[in-house]
Amino acid sequence: AQSVAQPEDQVNVAEGNPLTVKCTYSVSGNPYLFWYVQYPNRGLQFLLKYITGDNLVKGSYGFEAEFNKSQTSFHLKKPSALVSDSALYFCAVRGLKLIFGAGTRLAVHP
Amino acid sequence: DAGITQSPRHKVTETGTPVTLRCHQTENHRYMYWYRQDPGHGLRLIHYSYGVKDTDKGEVSDGYSVSRSKTEDFLLTLESATSSQTSVYFCAISEDRAEETQYFGPGTRLLVL
Repeated sequence: AQSVAQPEDQVNVAEGNPLTVKCTYSVSGNPYLFWYVQYPNRGLQFLLKYITGDNLVKGSYGFEAEFNKSQTSFHLKKPSALVSDSALYFCAVRGLKLIFGAGTRLAVHP
Repeated sequence: DAGITQSPRHKVTETGTPVTLRCHQTENHRYMYWYRQDPGHGLRLIHYSYGVKDTDKGEVSDGYSVSRSKTEDFLLTLESATSSQTSVYFCAISEDRAEETQYFGPGTRLLVL
């Protein structure tokens, strides 16, 4: 069965510190993996995706994600967090259909 | 929001009434999707369309129907709204399903009393 898990409901980070938002997945075959961000009262915005190739994927707003096949993970990272990064982050995996995780709320404190 | 509009943006209705939500795109993308977003569940697919008059069910399709008579419009209908259908509804589009980068509309907040 296809699934995606975001083990943390909320992540708290001080501004300027590195951040990681975790995602693990389960899918048959090669995964297509995505990260989206949602700001309050807005739709989801595409951040980045992994289809094939380099395990480190760079995306919008300075975010990147590392694909780890052996750990079936696709964690979202940023070297230096900004208060404006505070939002809801969704990981998604494409198998037969696109399946979203429950979301992780990122709070960056000044 | 990638040339996608949703209407209405907010709606309050009563149990048992029909409700239609509209998604309109200006990107000429082949695929269109309806999701609902509820706390703790992320986004769940209701229905999707892979062309004019071509639609299929998602994981939470009970109580919902859809229609697509034009490439640019995808309608979601709640035939008889229930309180469990109170949610935020998002439309999404994608051009190439194999890559499946979906782009989302701004959402419709529906309250069923």
